[in-house]
Amino acid sequence: DAGITQSPRHKVTETGTPVTLRCHQTENHRYMYWYRQDPGHGLRLIHYSYGVKDTDKGEVSDGYSVSRSKTEDFLLTLESATSSQTSVYFCAISESLDTYTEAFFGQGTRLTVV
Amino acid sequence: GDSVTQMEGPVTLSEEAFLTINCTYTATGYPSLFWYVQYPGEGLQLLLKATKADDKGSNKGFEATYRKETTSFHLEKGSVQVSDSAVYFCALGDNYGQNFVFGPGTRLSVLP
Repeated sequence: DAGITQSPRHKVTETGTPVTLRCHQTENHRYMYWYRQDPGHGLRLIHYSYGVKDTDKGEVSDGYSVSRSKTEDFLLTLESATSSQTSVYFCAISESLDTYTEAFFGQGTRLTVV
Repeated sequence: GDSVTQMEGPVTLSEEAFLTINCTYTATGYPSLFWYVQYPGEGLQLLLKATKADDKGSNKGFEATYRKETTSFHLEKGSVQVSDSAVYFCALGDNYGQNFVFGPGTRLSVLP
């Protein structure tokens, strides 16, 4: 299994509070992604990173920010959590943009905003 | 933009039945195609992949063939088991957008 650790695994927070989710990898892969999983929507890309300090927005980036100060860590921050951000969040990594390369996923973080 | 469409289910089958989960895609360029499986409470695991037209990916009795002419990548298994109960995601790897695009997932339940 790819070495990807997400923390925390579960979190309940109140509306309006900031929340940071962490993804840590031990594979030294260049690309890291944050997805959210919601019923009927599959996985939707929030933000991704293609190197240290290099990030870009995905399909559903509003209300989220990311940072990557080291190759191994990719942080997702909800600046002011809302109930619509209740979801399961998955981090993924991939080695390259080579067509043959798949993404490897973490175990997920279940976030509930009350 | 790129997109993936798959039957949403749920799909309920008896053990040893034949499984087909349809997947079609829209993409610019020449994406790679993937099937991922998610067991309850876990992350997604790669099941199989195909990187060019007419390639067949296979793993654990599952197969899917990359059909460029029909833009499809249907998942099949000849005889399902109870342990195959999970959610299956079709996905494409878009190396132009540096992204993976996922379908909505298909929940499969296999009854003994």
